[in-house]
Amino acid sequence: AQSVTQLDSHVSVSEGTPVLLRCNYSSSYSPSLFWYVQHPNKGLQLLLKYTSAATLVKGINGFEAEFKKSETSFHLTKPSAHMSDAAEYFCVVTGNPSNDYKLSFGAGTTVTVRA
Amino acid sequence: NAGVMQNPRHLVRRRGQEARLRCSPMKGHSHVYWYRQLPEEGLKFMVYLQKENIIDESGMPKERFSAEFPKEGPSILRIQQVVRGDSAAYFCASSGTSAQETQYFGPGTRLLVL
Repeated sequence: AQSVTQLDSHVSVSEGTPVLLRCNYSSSYSPSLFWYVQHPNKGLQLLLKYTSAATLVKGINGFEAEFKKSETSFHLTKPSAHMSDAAEYFCVVTGNPSNDYKLSFGAGTTVTVRA
Repeated sequence: NAGVMQNPRHLVRRRGQEARLRCSPMKGHSHVYWYRQLPEEGLKFMVYLQKENIIDESGMPKERFSAEFPKEGPSILRIQQVVRGDSAAYFCASSGTSAQETQYFGPGTRLLVL
């Protein structure tokens, strides 16, 4: 079975400093991996996705993530945080090949940005 | 270019009542997925539907929950005889012509059972 562990439930950063959100996954297959962001009372927005092409994936709003198979990690980074980055972030993995539509979500990391 | 639409955004029900949640997929999308987010948790898969067909309902509770995606109109998630434990955010997602495509999520319906 596929699973995702987000290592930090809360991350607090100062505006203009780097952001690091950590994600480890478990899968018997070669999964696709995603990061979604959820702003308060809003839906989930896709930040970026990895689908077995380049291991460094660039997303929207300056975010990027690196797929490391040896470490089973898919950490999300941004060089300089902005106030608008305050939100909840979910690391997501697809299911096994027969039901890869069945996304598995981590528990989420809440990001706060201090002025 | 409207995204995935869900209504209502907030729904309050008393125990024993029925809740009906609606989802209109993105234009051109024929695959719909429902997920539930309990407080302090990530989203959990409930059901995957195509027009007039339930493809995978392995995440649905065995009783009181049902889903449909008719030929015309939105997908409906129906919860009968709601209990307090049903209080959650219910998200709908859609994808285009295959289930392997990226899922795009709606804003969710927040159900509160009193």
